[in-house]
Amino acid sequence: GESVGLHLPTLSVQEGDNSIINCAYSNSASDYFIWYKQESGKGPQFIIDIRSNMDKRQGQRVTVLLNKTVKHLSLQIAATQPGDSAVYFCADHNYGQNFVFGPGTRLSVLP
Amino acid sequence: NAGVTQTPKFQVLKTGQSMTLQCAQDMNHNSMYWYRQDPGMGLRLIYYSASEGTTDKGEVPNGYNVSRLNKREFSLRLESAAPSQTSVYFCASSEGPRRGYTFGSGTRLTVV
Repeated sequence: GESVGLHLPTLSVQEGDNSIINCAYSNSASDYFIWYKQESGKGPQFIIDIRSNMDKRQGQRVTVLLNKTVKHLSLQIAATQPGDSAVYFCADHNYGQNFVFGPGTRLSVLP
Repeated sequence: NAGVTQTPKFQVLKTGQSMTLQCAQDMNHNSMYWYRQDPGMGLRLIYYSASEGTTDKGEVPNGYNVSRLNKREFSLRLESAAPSQTSVYFCASSEGPRRGYTFGSGTRLTVV
């Protein structure tokens, strides 16, 4: 993940709409990526992962897209629900190193 | 299945006091990690243990020490707490270096 400073980006979406959360990473050697969800007062929770030999991976209501050319990762959440309100952040990994975590995006689901 | 258990959940220390944060996992994971999370910043790695018997420094190790007591337990010690160590601390474990992490619920530490 790439540091974007002290202010956490916020995304507000209407319940039932699709959400797209973006993440930029800086290391072109990164070969494995994970999206985590962190609810208030809890630890981060694994959502979905993708390896660098793929450009898309789908889970239940979530899709991760990887664009290695511009070093960009996105998480798409279909039919966003109130329970999806949380901070989402990406983590990237390159061989021989540990994961680097981005600062996150706060998703607020509006009724 | 408890996953990763951290104790305590909350702690207030005075500057100069010491304490140990405890972490235990019951998933038979090889690797364990300590992170700190500060407002607006990503998780920053303090120390990690790739396997039982080994520990290595992460991005922000100064002021901390760790002990991998056995495969299950990985503790983080603050020898002389400073206000800059006020943060939320997370322990995590994984099967190995390129696997997803399972995180504990965190310890909120305030140093006054």
